[in-house]
Amino acid sequence: LAKTTQPISMDSYEGQEVNITCSHNNIATNDYITWYQQFPSQGPRFIIQGYKTKVTNEVASLFIPADRKSSTLSLPRVSLSDTAVYYCLVGDRSGAGSYQLTFGKGTKLSVIP
Amino acid sequence: DADVTQTPRNRITKTGKRIMLECSQTKGHDRMYWYRQDPGLGLRLIYYSFDVKDINKGEISDGYSVSRQAQAKFSLSLESAIPNQTALYFCATSDRDRGPYNEQFFGPGTRLTVL
Repeated sequence: LAKTTQPISMDSYEGQEVNITCSHNNIATNDYITWYQQFPSQGPRFIIQGYKTKVTNEVASLFIPADRKSSTLSLPRVSLSDTAVYYCLVGDRSGAGSYQLTFGKGTKLSVIP
Repeated sequence: DADVTQTPRNRITKTGKRIMLECSQTKGHDRMYWYRQDPGLGLRLIYYSFDVKDINKGEISDGYSVSRQAQAKFSLSLESAIPNQTALYFCATSDRDRGPYNEQFFGPGTRLTVL
């Protein structure tokens, strides 16, 4: 059962680039890495997904090294509205054919004016 | 996501009571999930279902049961609620073709308090 590890919290000033790293040493060959954003009292929301190298969309970039044992979510020029908890999710399969989706404990990002 | 609804949104109950949390979706997705969120522990998977006849245990299924009444409905039951089941519960869906590792759409959550 793969586990993910993320920093518990991070602070950043508005306008800065923020990089949040997730460690997933036991990632399996067919696993993808997905990041979600969660605001208080709301369900998580998909941000970005990748398998290797780099993926970019209108919201963020995701960097994955060749060994795939970690990944970094990059948020360009953050604003106060980016204050949220960010989760790293790694597709994982364990046991008798069961899927064990494992969310990291999340990184609480606080953007400071 | 308005396409995934959960009822009730808030519930206070007593130890030993049977509780059912309901989830409905209009996204036409085959796959549905129940998660539990506790402060500092992130989201943990309770049960998931890949179609109406498929039910699977997640990481923390003890003390819970589920029912997939239709493609659009997935209910979570606590047969005899206990205080440590006090938490925020989320239902989620995903498309069959995109698999569980791909984008999941979450409901607004149900806050359950067991006294």
